[in-house]
This record gives sequence, C-alpha cells and structure tokens, in this order.
Amino acid sequence: GAVVSQHPSWVICKSGTSVKIECRSLDFQATTMFWYRQFPKQSLMLMATSNEGSKATYEQGVEKDKFLINHASLTLSTLTVTSAHPEDSSFYICSATPVGQPSYEQYFGPGTRLTVT
Amino acid sequence: GEDVEQSLFLSVREGDSSVINCTYTDSSSTYLYWYKQEPGAGLQLLTYIFSNMDMKQDQRLTVLLNKKDKHLSLRIADTQTGDSAIYFCAEFNTGGFKTIFGAGTRLFVKA
Repeated sequence: GAVVSQHPSWVICKSGTSVKIECRSLDFQATTMFWYRQFPKQSLMLMATSNEGSKATYEQGVEKDKFLINHASLTLSTLTVTSAHPEDSSFYICSATPVGQPSYEQYFGPGTRLTVT
Repeated sequence: GEDVEQSLFLSVREGDSSVINCTYTDSSSTYLYWYKQEPGAGLQLLTYIFSNMDMKQDQRLTVLLNKKDKHLSLRIADTQTGDSAIYFCAEFNTGGFKTIFGAGTRLFVKA
C-alpha cells in the first residue's frame, strides 16, 4: 500500500514552453503533498507544500508564478513549470501524506526528470 | 536554520558492515529518517527513529541516535552489492512541519 506515482517519468521540452507534472496517490487519499527538487548529486530541496483545496505554501526563494501547484483532489497534485529554461532542468520528486496521518509520514513518488533544451 | 550534514562517500567490501553518519542541528526534531535512492529513482524509506529512542534495529539495519550530540548513524550489516545507492538522512522539523534532507552519502560496495 501507500503508492505514489508521477507522470511523466521523464520529459524533454524546449525553452519557453510549460510542462505539467502529475503526482498521484494510488491507494490512499492525501491531505498534503510535497514537491521537491533534486539537482545532480545533491539533496532534495523542498519547493512547496500543497494542501487539497487551498493554495500551496512555497519555500523561500521558490517563484510561485513560475512553479504553479494545484492540488485539486485528495489523490492528485500537479506542478506546472511555466516558461521553462535550461536552469529548470532537474529531478522533481513529490511525496504524499495520507489523510489522518501526521505530516512526518510521507510516501515518495519515483520522480520526474525534466530536461529543458 | 535547520541543517543536516553527512559524509558524501563511503566504500566498503561486500560482506563488511557499513556505517553512515549524520549530524543535525535542530533540537526540536522529533523524527529522523534514513532513505535509500537508487540511480534515477525516487526515495525509499528504509527506517526511522523517534527522538526519544536511542536505537532501532530492523533486520540488517541498525539506527543509533545520540540526541545530546545530535548524531544519527545507520549501520548495514553484511553489506551486499545491491546496497550500493545514495543514503539520505532526514529530520522532520516540527516547527515548520517539513522534512529537511542531508546531501546524501553515496555507498559503493565492492565485490
């Protein structure tokens, strides 16, 4: 149980276009989903915390107009990278906390590798 | 601010024990985790420990917590080549309700 999927698993896009990444909890409902970014050989950096039905909370230094997060249902959160640039190329990982579970219980998706050319 | 530090690289021979160390700064951390990441994949939770515990053992994995020194370690007994991966130490920060990750320790197991 507690499986989180991401789609797509990898994407290549041209500079200036927008890309949407989906994060789904497959066998549970998630009150809270987290979006992380991971640069090569580096740690995960929390970008934002997404709660169903409300606006996401962004970490300091993360542009909310560039990284649009929508948590429209208890099983789906999306991250849209708008007007992507090569420096946005990274590995994006989401995690989800089941309804009724404390925030320290997180289940991670497999990640989405974004390459902007 | 909160910070989690770990050594970046560890190399061991197959069959030996591996010990990966981590230090953290946030004294209000209540949960500390070890995650495993294989190339190109997401994170797999290996184990976690509550801050009121000193040790936790789960099959080949032993976690030791020294809360006074804010030091966490992961020992992998009888290390196998399949254990080669990046291991992340992480703390759950109760103040901000978020998880802070270390930079990851790359474990290389030699056959």
